[in-house]
Amino acid sequence: DTAVSQTPKYLVTQMGNDKSIKCEQNLGHDTMYWYKQDSKKFLKIMFSYNNKELIINETVPNRFSPKSPDKAHLNLHINSLELGDSAVYFCASSQGPTRGEDQYFGPGTRLLVL
Amino acid sequence: GQQLNQSPQSMFIQEGEDVSMNCTSSSIFNTWLWYKQDPGEGPVLLIALYKAGELTSNGRLTAQFGITRKDSFLNISASIPSDVGIYFCAGLVWATGGGADGLTFGKGTHLIIQP
Repeated sequence: DTAVSQTPKYLVTQMGNDKSIKCEQNLGHDTMYWYKQDSKKFLKIMFSYNNKELIINETVPNRFSPKSPDKAHLNLHINSLELGDSAVYFCASSQGPTRGEDQYFGPGTRLLVL
Repeated sequence: GQQLNQSPQSMFIQEGEDVSMNCTSSSIFNTWLWYKQDPGEGPVLLIALYKAGELTSNGRLTAQFGITRKDSFLNISASIPSDVGIYFCAGLVWATGGGADGLTFGKGTHLIIQP
């Protein structure tokens, strides 16, 4: 009965590889997000999609490409991984894009680039 | 972009003590939120604040939305061991034309409780 789920939970890979992280929410929410948490625990928004449309795209390298096949899914594809991409990536969802109080976070994907 | 200054960065307290942490910003936010993150988990919402001056409680937690809309504090009374974790403040700005800019997070307060 997980509300926001992410796979994989752990991802260890080599520099230069391409990898994807998947996110699914079963809450019926319209808006989904990707956040990055660095080694100092700082959380920063990367992308936001509302009804499969991109509404927020922070300053993120274009090696990161989100894809939303439907409202319940927002996947994150990363090309040519770099050491600095190592972080915890959190997916989140909310009913809509304007009310932050109902933003539910997934358990995170711990990415380690070697 | 906007930044939130959260303090203290960490707290070492005895079980049963009260805890206070705060966030300040140079810009105005429409919504202030407080989250807790346990090790290996995602942030979980504790309290949401929508109006300047609003004071809201959730059990032993109390938070206030500053009157200037540029600050907020979170108090935890009579701390217990399960309060251990990282507490984040977050602010939300409603963009013109609808929508929002996404949450801006503080850098977190690490709470460590000694039994």
